[in-house]
Amino acid sequence: GDSVTQTEGLVTVTEGLPVKLNCTYQTTYLTIAFFWYVQYLNEAPQVLLRSSTDNKRTEHQGFHATLHKSSSSFHLQKSSAQLSDSALYYCALSDLAGGADRLTFGKGTQLIIQP
Amino acid sequence: EAGVTQSPRYAVLQEGQAVSFWCDPISGHDTLYWYQQPRDQGPQLLVYFRDEAVIDNSQLPSDRFSAVRPKGTNSTLKIQSAKQGDTATYLCASSFSSGNTLYFGEGSRLIVV
Repeated sequence: GDSVTQTEGLVTVTEGLPVKLNCTYQTTYLTIAFFWYVQYLNEAPQVLLRSSTDNKRTEHQGFHATLHKSSSSFHLQKSSAQLSDSALYYCALSDLAGGADRLTFGKGTQLIIQP
Repeated sequence: EAGVTQSPRYAVLQEGQAVSFWCDPISGHDTLYWYQQPRDQGPQLLVYFRDEAVIDNSQLPSDRFSAVRPKGTNSTLKIQSAKQGDTATYLCASSFSSGNTLYFGEGSRLIVV
């Protein structure tokens, strides 16, 4: 079956420094889309980024990610962390042929930005 | 536009009790999902519907769990004879079947003692 791996459970970064959250995957789907969802405390998960094109950078709210099928990765990055970025981040993959069906999530990475 | 609405937000049960969670998806979304999110884990799909039809319920943990969406709009997830292992947040999400983005509700947090 398919799986998404987020290796870090907790990442702590000082405000103003770069952030990188790792995401790798295994899948048997031929056409796939990748997502980063962000979940702030006591709120619903909401989509941050989406990509289905290999080697194309996707950006939103200062974050960016590039799908690399050659390395089965979709890491999330930001050049300068802000205190408001503190949240739980999930990487997820979906079978494009099935639309939004069967979205598979990683375990999540808690990002803490400290002053 | 109203988002996905869930109720109740919190429930505390003793083992053996039953609970029902209700979800009102975004208007016009034909696909509705229920996810279980144990503490410190990512959301795990339980069941999903397209309109009133169950597309996949193979991930429901046991016959103690059931879900319906009788009119293709609101949905109810019911847990009978709850166990401590059911402690989790239950997330409802909706989407257009032709799209790829799920919109989540704030979740219903269940604690079974």
